[in-house]
Amino acid sequence: SQQGEEDPQALSIQEGENATMNCSYKTSINNLQWYRQNSGRGLVHLILIRSNEREKHSGRLRVTLDTSKKSSSLLITASRAADTASYFCATDFIIQGAQKLVFGQGTRLTINP
Amino acid sequence: ETGVTQTPRHLVMGMTNKKSLKCEQHLGHNAMYWYKQSAKKPLELMFVYNFKEQTENNSVPSRFSPECPNSSHLFLHLHTLQPEDSALYLCASSQVSGSVARCYFGPGTRLTVT
Repeated sequence: SQQGEEDPQALSIQEGENATMNCSYKTSINNLQWYRQNSGRGLVHLILIRSNEREKHSGRLRVTLDTSKKSSSLLITASRAADTASYFCATDFIIQGAQKLVFGQGTRLTINP
Repeated sequence: ETGVTQTPRHLVMGMTNKKSLKCEQHLGHNAMYWYKQSAKKPLELMFVYNFKEQTENNSVPSRFSPECPNSSHLFLHLHTLQPEDSALYLCASSQVSGSVARCYFGPGTRLTVT
């Protein structure tokens, strides 16, 4: 069953602006991860935030996690045309030594030059 | 380049064909996965292998048959598929350390069933 829902489904902004994407999930989590996918390609891991963390930074990325609201947000600052991609949140569960990711629908981000 | 390779990158097959997708990871990870990405649906986990042992089959139809001969290679054997099986099939691997792991994905195989 679908775990995460992302909002908005599509976002179009001008280069240099900040982009914020939100993700909600339904059950308790181990960690929450964000991935990026360029059109029709594989996913690339961006950032992982643990359930006991509230905020994490990586370069121009900032992720927040609110476990009481079961939600997370991804902020990309000073966006660039190369940031155009789909962004997915995924909750993860470690079971029998392997990792199960449950993805949201994703946000399609377009950065206009 | 994520260290996970998939072949072929594109595949067109008829409903009566038999084909196989191949995945190889060069990262020394213990776990490998098949995910399916269809249009307008979230990525779906299909199969999970940990050190060659299948630990999860996410209610996948038997026309999809996985094989993991060793911890670096993963196959997905396809037979008598349906047009609705057309999708992007993604292989991934990870190394679980405690409660933390990140997945490395291959570029995917774009499958079209005619």
